[in-house]
Amino acid sequence: GQSLEQPSEVTAVEGAIVQINCTYQTSGFYGLSWYQQHDGGAPTFLSYNALDGLEETGRFSSFLSRSDSYGYLLLQELQMKDSASYFCAVGNQGGKLIFGQGTELSVKP
Amino acid sequence: DAGVTQSPTHLIKTRGQQVTLRCSPKSGHDTVSWYQQALGQGPQFIFQYYEEEERQRGNFPDRFSGHQFPNYSSELNVNALLLGDSALYLCASSLLGHEASTDTQYFGPGTRLTVL
Repeated sequence: GQSLEQPSEVTAVEGAIVQINCTYQTSGFYGLSWYQQHDGGAPTFLSYNALDGLEETGRFSSFLSRSDSYGYLLLQELQMKDSASYFCAVGNQGGKLIFGQGTELSVKP
Repeated sequence: DAGVTQSPTHLIKTRGQQVTLRCSPKSGHDTVSWYQQALGQGPQFIFQYYEEEERQRGNFPDRFSGHQFPNYSSELNVNALLLGDSALYLCASSLLGHEASTDTQYFGPGTRLTVL
């Protein structure tokens, strides 16, 4: 089967750094994606890792270790607007995404 | 550049009824995927359409069917609605073409379906 594990909740303060981990078990792995979703909104693409290593996009970075079936999303200089749900998702060759259950990030002042 | 659009935004149906949801992909995209997202859960893959054919399918019963039109827009049909079908239905578009890849998928705002 295919499954992804990520923490259900994370709390941090403005200006801090937070890391959201994701471990996965899947076949036909083609890459690990991260999506942000605000309450009732559309998931928004944040980052994608196909190869091992770190990808940086502004305040967000994502890391992948294929040998460990592990990745993380790093959010720096947290802002109140970063409060949202964050999903890791594994893609297969055909573009099918399998999502984790999501991590609810609460940013406190 | 219009993003992914979905209609309607909200819908209320009763058990046993049928529903059709619509999706227009982002300009230039040729592939549409549908996801079901229950409250507090991650999106679950229903199926994907490319070149007007179902290309991949998730673990959903045959009550869930779809269609893709020549202009790449798509419909999701659900027959014999159950209470458990209440969810946010998301459409995502991407450019896969004939080269399979995990190109970025762009999601629409979703249709909130409530089954009473």
